[in-house]
Amino acid sequence: GESVGLHLPTLSVQEGDNSIINCAYSNSASDYFIWYKQESGKGPQFIIDIRSNMDKRQGQRVTVLLNKTVKHLSLQIAATQPGDSAVYFCAENIGGGKSTFGDGTTLTVKP
Amino acid sequence: GAVVSQHPSRVICKSGTSVKIECRSLDFQATTMFWYRQFPKKSLMLMATSNEGSKATYEQGVEKDKFLINHASLTLSTLTVTSAHPEDSSFYICSALSRAAVNTDTQYFGPGTRLTVL
Repeated sequence: GESVGLHLPTLSVQEGDNSIINCAYSNSASDYFIWYKQESGKGPQFIIDIRSNMDKRQGQRVTVLLNKTVKHLSLQIAATQPGDSAVYFCAENIGGGKSTFGDGTTLTVKP
Repeated sequence: GAVVSQHPSRVICKSGTSVKIECRSLDFQATTMFWYRQFPKKSLMLMATSNEGSKATYEQGVEKDKFLINHASLTLSTLTVTSAHPEDSSFYICSALSRAAVNTDTQYFGPGTRLTVL
């Protein structure tokens, strides 16, 4: 059967390894999803987005996967670097530009 | 492009005083801005939606008389925390939707304002 990634509040990886951060969303009608990175004491920074008519989108070192069947979103970071250490939030657009944020995952990259 | 600023970045005030936080879109016009609140190690909670020239729309449980929002121009929204109390201490973050952007769903976030009420 298909496995659904668990949302973990923390993730620790070795520098150079790939990271996978998971997120479950709640509204099956949501049509736009965004991943944000937030460093300590700063506002969220846009990483990558995806619309519901796609199931994969790639950026520079990052890939977002969308599984609408199980309402699951993941962010893959290739060759993770110390500068990637931060809290990562997924957000689903609920209309009118408004977004609902997930709980966040703290990524720690060990040198 | 798409830079949003907030002022002040941090503020400490006495209980009972009011504090105003400004959110500005520096290089684009924003018809809609959002105000969020974030507690330590928690996610962002949407407080209200601010539309230029009209009253703000508040989320359930957010006191509109406590958190006054004004969006007087296409580049400025303000949040005033009235009669602040220690439980209002938090990290307040604004975001803006670009009026001209093709993708009008993308929010651009400010750097946040740390409010501490003594």
